[in-house]
Amino acid sequence: SQQGEEDPQALSIQEGENATMNCSYKTSINNLQWYRQNSGRGLVHLILIRSNEREKHSGRLRVTLDTSKKSSSLLITASRAADTASYFCATDSTGTYKYIFGTGTRLKVLA
Amino acid sequence: NAGVTQTPKFQVLKTGQSMTLQCAQDMNHNSMYWYRQDPGMGLRLIYYSASEGTTDKGEVPNGYNVSRLNKREFSLRLESAAPSQTSVYFCAGSGTLPSSYNEQFFGPGTRLTVL
Repeated sequence: SQQGEEDPQALSIQEGENATMNCSYKTSINNLQWYRQNSGRGLVHLILIRSNEREKHSGRLRVTLDTSKKSSSLLITASRAADTASYFCATDSTGTYKYIFGTGTRLKVLA
Repeated sequence: NAGVTQTPKFQVLKTGQSMTLQCAQDMNHNSMYWYRQDPGMGLRLIYYSASEGTTDKGEVPNGYNVSRLNKREFSLRLESAAPSQTSVYFCAGSGTLPSSYNEQFFGPGTRLTVL
């Protein structure tokens, strides 16, 4: 079974609005990563947050991590049409080099 | 630098045929990975290689074998293809230093159809 589960599965917003997507996972982790996938393409790394961090920023992205609830959220502020993509969280498994991906959130930003 | 490259980009096989998907990276990554992505399923790990000379099973290894030929190359072999293996396959590399805190760099994918 997948380690991470994203919520919602799909999200449609207007350009300029903020988009929030959530990820829940099952076991202890060393870090959690978020990736973006444009249709038909490979995944691109967005941000990594370590298990001892609670919040991290990168440009218009803000990631939070709550290890007590085994959950993370990705906030994209002031969204643009170019942000339209699928977003995945990925967690390492018991400190190995193995990453497990969630099922993804499909974001559509309407111009 | 080419990054992570995969060949072929597209492939159609008949049930029972075999083939090898090739992956190469020029980013000096220690770890390499093979994933499959089915519609609506996200990515599932097939096999990974934490470092040159080692390989380990992921979530869905049945029906596949891998070879870490050297530090640059990591191939995925389907010995007897089945329609259930129709998917998009992604290779990824990670880490120039041994660490769990490394992002993965993905190739463009191979779209495989098994008839």
